[in-house]
Amino acid sequence: EPEVTQTPSHQVTQMGQEVILRCVPISNHLYFYWYRQILGQKVEFLVSFYNNEISEKSEIFDDQFSVERPDGSNFTLKIRSTKLEDSAMYFCASLGSQETQYFGPGTRLLVL
Amino acid sequence: AQSVTQPDIHITVSEGASLELRCNYSYGATPYLFWYVQSPGQGLQLLLKYFSGDTLVQGIKGFEAEFKRSQSSFNLRKPSVHWSDAAEYFCAVGASFQKLVFGTGTRLLVSP
Repeated sequence: EPEVTQTPSHQVTQMGQEVILRCVPISNHLYFYWYRQILGQKVEFLVSFYNNEISEKSEIFDDQFSVERPDGSNFTLKIRSTKLEDSAMYFCASLGSQETQYFGPGTRLLVL
Repeated sequence: AQSVTQPDIHITVSEGASLELRCNYSYGATPYLFWYVQSPGQGLQLLLKYFSGDTLVQGIKGFEAEFKRSQSSFNLRKPSVHWSDAAEYFCAVGASFQKLVFGTGTRLLVSP
């Protein structure tokens, strides 16, 4: 069964550094999403992406964040200058049939 | 505003006993409703979903949920809990191509 994959599984970075989180959505899916989950809290929407454009973004998704689909398979989330409060689990999802979002296993980001 | 309420932060159930996890939502239109499960350190796995039709939906691992429009609820049930069901359960609401809005989750503990 096809799955959404994410790399890396864990990333530790210094405050102020740039990070790129990578996702490979399920092939033939066209809508993609990023969510994050701060430890012990609920899953929060960051951004949705379709046809090489952002469809919707939350207030969390400020100028420090960007998304890109650099090729036919990858979908990336970049944080330009990380802050301590960016530490979270980041989930990628892609939209399949019957309006179901399929989630990847997540990337745990720790900002020191 | 769209929101999901899961009033129980923790629930402890004896193995073999029945389970009901509560979920109430607020949404402008008829929503799509989902239950996801998250094991420690893992991603989000879809248990079941409701779009339309029969208000009692069956999912994986023996779970079911009932949509009650009059109560704006989508409670998750299982007749007999197994120790492997211990996890965090998230109710989510969305619409066509839209972001998912998650509840704060209910952590299920299963006692021997």
